[in-house]
Amino acid sequence: SQQGEEDPQALSIQEGENATMNCSYKTSINNLQWYRQNSGRGLVHLILIRSNEREKHSGRLRVTLDTSKKSSSLLITASRAADTASYFCAENAGGTSYGKLTFGQGTILTVHP
Amino acid sequence: NAGVTQTPKFQVLKTGQSMTLQCAQDMNHEYMSWYRQDPGMGLRLIHYSVGAGITDQGEVPNGYNVSRSTTEDFPLRLLSAAPSQTSVYFCASSYNRVSYNEQFFGPGTRLTVL
Repeated sequence: SQQGEEDPQALSIQEGENATMNCSYKTSINNLQWYRQNSGRGLVHLILIRSNEREKHSGRLRVTLDTSKKSSSLLITASRAADTASYFCAENAGGTSYGKLTFGQGTILTVHP
Repeated sequence: NAGVTQTPKFQVLKTGQSMTLQCAQDMNHEYMSWYRQDPGMGLRLIHYSVGAGITDQGEVPNGYNVSRSTTEDFPLRLLSAAPSQTSVYFCASSYNRVSYNEQFFGPGTRLTVL
């Protein structure tokens, strides 16, 4: 399989705590993206970080990228019950098919009220 | 804009039957793709297209066909359904550009093959 790995597979926290999810990937990337999937729904794009960027913020989300270790992390600060979902990283290798993504297996996040 | 639409939402087939999953987008995206999602496996790419008339295989293409006659539509055909094709199928689209390629997903089709 060409899929990367995500860690942990499942994470359970209380509202207000921070949640950190990690992703390792296998190829040289053009960018790495994070997606959220609520139960029974399609995936929703959260944030994109390019290979020449090391950190990016969007609201309560903070993403880091370490290309030397082929790894990325997603931090959700001050979590809410509504953040309960599965989170996926996806690597984009670029090339001629710029849209092509390879997804990790995901982290299931449960935020208890 | 409707975004990415998929039909049907649910389908039950018998082994050996064929069917077409429909996908359409109204965002003028060049890139469209089909994924299947199985428990513990994440999303796996079946087929993708970078424009009308151009398709290519992804990670798990066997048993599936695609065509892209228009920019808007990207149907996925199951030739002879097998129980191993029981899954949730997602269609996605994006611009095919080096710096702007976040994908938009449809709501999914839940397929059961008996």
